[in-house]
Amino acid sequence: DAGVIQSPRHEVTEMGQEVTLRCKPISGHDYLFWYRQTMMRGLELLIYFNNNVPIDDSGMPEDRFSAKMPNASFSTLKIQPSEPRDSAVYFCASSLSGRTQHFGDGTRLSIL
Amino acid sequence: GQQLNQSPQSMFIQEGEDVSMNCTSSSIFNTWLWYKQDPGEGPVLLIALYKAGELTSNGRLTAQFGITRKDSFLNISASIPSDVGIYFCAGQGANDYKLSFGAGTTVTVRA
Repeated sequence: DAGVIQSPRHEVTEMGQEVTLRCKPISGHDYLFWYRQTMMRGLELLIYFNNNVPIDDSGMPEDRFSAKMPNASFSTLKIQPSEPRDSAVYFCASSLSGRTQHFGDGTRLSIL
Repeated sequence: GQQLNQSPQSMFIQEGEDVSMNCTSSSIFNTWLWYKQDPGEGPVLLIALYKAGELTSNGRLTAQFGITRKDSFLNISASIPSDVGIYFCAGQGANDYKLSFGAGTTVTVRA
């Protein structure tokens, strides 16, 4: 079975550019989560969706961050404009009924 | 999220040894999860615990959900080189599906 698929795996871009990260959850899962991982702060939840509807976005750091889930098999996390402090590994996870979460392999983002 | 204290932060162990790590929380959780993360990959779920006092095994791994619902431990028996990695505990409360993660335990195995 296919797991959570994220793209791109690596992204390097200049400060001020728009960045779009993509996620395909496991088929049939009804919850989708976006996390950010840094050395300083560890794994932090940014936002999560249930049945494509955003439930809690209290972890989204600033208005520069936005996330959408237009359908059950696709979600995006967008940063506009990007800043060097946004450099991190961004993970998407999905789950059935909100319990055990299964993670993708992440997008390593570097903002120069 | 809620604060989770995971210890030890790192450990060097001899192949064949048993390993133990734990997590404590100031708040009660309804679910405890243990993940392992290898370099360049996402966390992989090892064990999920749903009831206070529950003891669950997955191969050489054993984890327990503390009676107070504020702690959990993970044991690895007879460690092997592929046990190298970072182990994370995560707790989930009753009222939402957010996971709070510990800071991780880095395990290095000496062959």
